Amino acid sequence: DTGVSQDPRHKITKRGQNVTFRCDPISEHNRLYWYRQTLGQGPEFLTYFQNEAQLEKSRLLSDRFSAERPKGSFSTLEIQRTEQGDSAMYLCASGGLGGEKLFFGSGTQLSVL
Amino acid sequence: GQQVMQIPQYQHVQEGEDFTTYCNSSTTLSNIQWYKQRPGGHPVFLIQLVKSGEVKKQKRLTFQFGEAKKNSSLHITATQTTDVGTYFCAGPGNAGGTSYGKLTFGQGTILTVHP
Repeated sequence: DTGVSQDPRHKITKRGQNVTFRCDPISEHNRLYWYRQTLGQGPEFLTYFQNEAQLEKSRLLSDRFSAERPKGSFSTLEIQRTEQGDSAMYLCASGGLGGEKLFFGSGTQLSVL
Repeated sequence: GQQVMQIPQYQHVQEGEDFTTYCNSSTTLSNIQWYKQRPGGHPVFLIQLVKSGEVKKQKRLTFQFGEAKKNSSLHITATQTTDVGTYFCAGPGNAGGTSYGKLTFGQGTILTVHP
C-alpha cells in the first residue's frame, strides 16, 4: 500500500533562490492538495487540484508560488525568489472523489537562510 | 473568514489519566474531522463526524460533535505513551458546505504522556 510521497524531505536554500517540491499522490486519488505548516500551528490550505485542473488557490499563495499537476498524477510546487518567511513544512495530501478524508505525505521541510 | 479554535494548547498527563481536547468553530460546520500528528510526523486522519450530536468511539478514543455543529471534542481514556502527539480538528474550508478536502485546521493540542 503506497502512500503519498514527497521529495525532497528537507531543503535548505538561500533567500532569493527558487525551489521546487514534488508530490506523488496515492495512485487512485484524483484530488491533490498542498498545505503549509509552521511550528505550533495546524496545516494551512494553499491549493488543490482535481485531476489536472487547479480548482482553488488560497489568498495566502503569493505570485511567487505556482503549482502544477500536468497529467493529473504527480504535482510540483515551485517557490520563486524565496524569502525567510517561506520557511515551513510543505505538506501534500491526496483524496478520492466522494470523501473529504485526506492522506498526507511526510512533507518537505523548507529552511530559507 | 472561518476560524477553528482548540483548547488547551498543551496538555501533560500521567500515563493512565484521561485527556480531552475541545474544538470550537466560528460558524456551523457540515462536518468535522480529527487528525493526529506524531512528533516529527505528518497528520493522520482519525475520524469524521457529520451528524448533530454524533458520538463515535475508537477503542479508548471518544469523539463528539455538538448539537449546534459548532463544537467538537476528543476524549482519550487511560492515556498511553503511544497517544503522544498533536491532535487537530479540522472543518470544511468553505462556509456552509463541503470542502472537498479544503480544510481549516485548529492550532492543535499537544499531548505529552509521562510514563
